[in-house]
Amino acid sequence: DTAVSQTPKYLVTQMGNDKSIKCEQNLGHDTMYWYKQDSKKFLKIMFSYNNKELIINETVPNRFSPKSPDKAHLNLHINSLELGDSAVYFCASSLGLSSSYNEQFFGPGTRLTVL
Amino acid sequence: AQSVTQLGSHVSVSEGALVLLRCNYSSSVPPYLFWYVQYPNQGLQLLLKYTSAATLVKGINGFEAEFKKSETSFHLTKPSAHMSDAAEYFCAVSKTGNQFYFGTGTSLTVIP
Repeated sequence: DTAVSQTPKYLVTQMGNDKSIKCEQNLGHDTMYWYKQDSKKFLKIMFSYNNKELIINETVPNRFSPKSPDKAHLNLHINSLELGDSAVYFCASSLGLSSSYNEQFFGPGTRLTVL
Repeated sequence: AQSVTQLGSHVSVSEGALVLLRCNYSSSVPPYLFWYVQYPNQGLQLLLKYTSAATLVKGINGFEAEFKKSETSFHLTKPSAHMSDAAEYFCAVSKTGNQFYFGTGTSLTVIP
């Protein structure tokens, strides 16, 4: 069983389009995250949700909108895609705010290419 | 504010040689520290974590790391490198249960 899954794994699209990436975790975790990894492998936190509530919202263009229908799912919708959005997007989850030393579990990533 | 610094974005070692990947943290309070590994085209996988129980932490695949408060370091080591260890390695720090700060990563190359 995959702990944290993302779909799709690859996404190729044209500039200006709108696309979504889905994430699901079956670990019973309370907290979920979206990260962006650029071509130099640098990981940047984008959003974090705890029990469907937004708790971290880093400086990300408002073209990016996360949605958490329940605590097992955190989807990422991107409007008006730009060339600079090309990256690998990782979803992750962790137990939650109750423990400081619980690690994050990462999904396999979604490689987004904007043409 | 918390952060981690990974010295050396690229490290090359010969197969069988010692692996040493460096991580220094800055934190106003004792942090919780993690090492993750990312194999090509995969997500990050936890190697080990420091939770204040012991300063020497053993992880998977023969890796270990030592927490040194006086040096604010948490370097990752492995006595003998294998070809399969070639990957990207990330150090991370957390103080709360929801915010993690990752280093910029170190790419490990193992030379046969």
